[in-house]
Amino acid sequence: GQQLNQSPQSMFIQEGEDVSMNCTSSSIFNTWLWYKQEPGEGPVLLIALYKAGELTSNGRLTAQFGITRKDSFLNISASIPSDVGIYFCAGLPNTGNQFYFGTGTSLTVIP
Amino acid sequence: DAGVTQSPTHLIKTRGQHVTLRCSPISGHKSVSWYQQVLGQGPQFIFQYYEKEERGRGNFPDRFSARQFPNYSSELNVNALLLGDSALYLCASSRGQGRSGYTFGSGTRLTVV
Repeated sequence: GQQLNQSPQSMFIQEGEDVSMNCTSSSIFNTWLWYKQEPGEGPVLLIALYKAGELTSNGRLTAQFGITRKDSFLNISASIPSDVGIYFCAGLPNTGNQFYFGTGTSLTVIP
Repeated sequence: DAGVTQSPTHLIKTRGQHVTLRCSPISGHKSVSWYQQVLGQGPQFIFQYYEKEERGRGNFPDRFSARQFPNYSSELNVNALLLGDSALYLCASSRGQGRSGYTFGSGTRLTVV
């Protein structure tokens, strides 16, 4: 199956700092999604990207659909304690309706 | 509006047993997908149903089966449970076929002992 690699695997940052994480694939995707998952909950959709080069924001979150269509990036500005969780990317290839999820980036924000 | 609801929330089963997990999508959503999430990993696609027909199947053995009912709710069945089936099973729904993303439920935590 498709393999999506996320980096970094985990991050420990001070409150107020900016965060950057990325997701790479060996295959081309037509749609990229970013989800956040907190303990005991299902993933929550943060941002959806549909076009190469697209840059989309949702509050303090900004995500980009890579030009090569093989990667995507998520930035969080001025982190706060409630940003804590695991962030997953998910990609949709050209055919089929199956989203492939990345390995996740665990974010810890230190007050 | 209620979100995606899954039942039960937690379940403990013995190896070799059978389990049925249930999911009710958001009202108006016609597509339901099932994902397995093993601890420390991202969700892995199991099935997608749209308008009561199977539209996709992931790389899971035939012990896994699912169906979607006329009211768009869904069941995931797993036969002959193995220890490795222990995971969080997530159901997700979407209005269309899900190409623009899903809304996930909180999942069913299955433990096989």
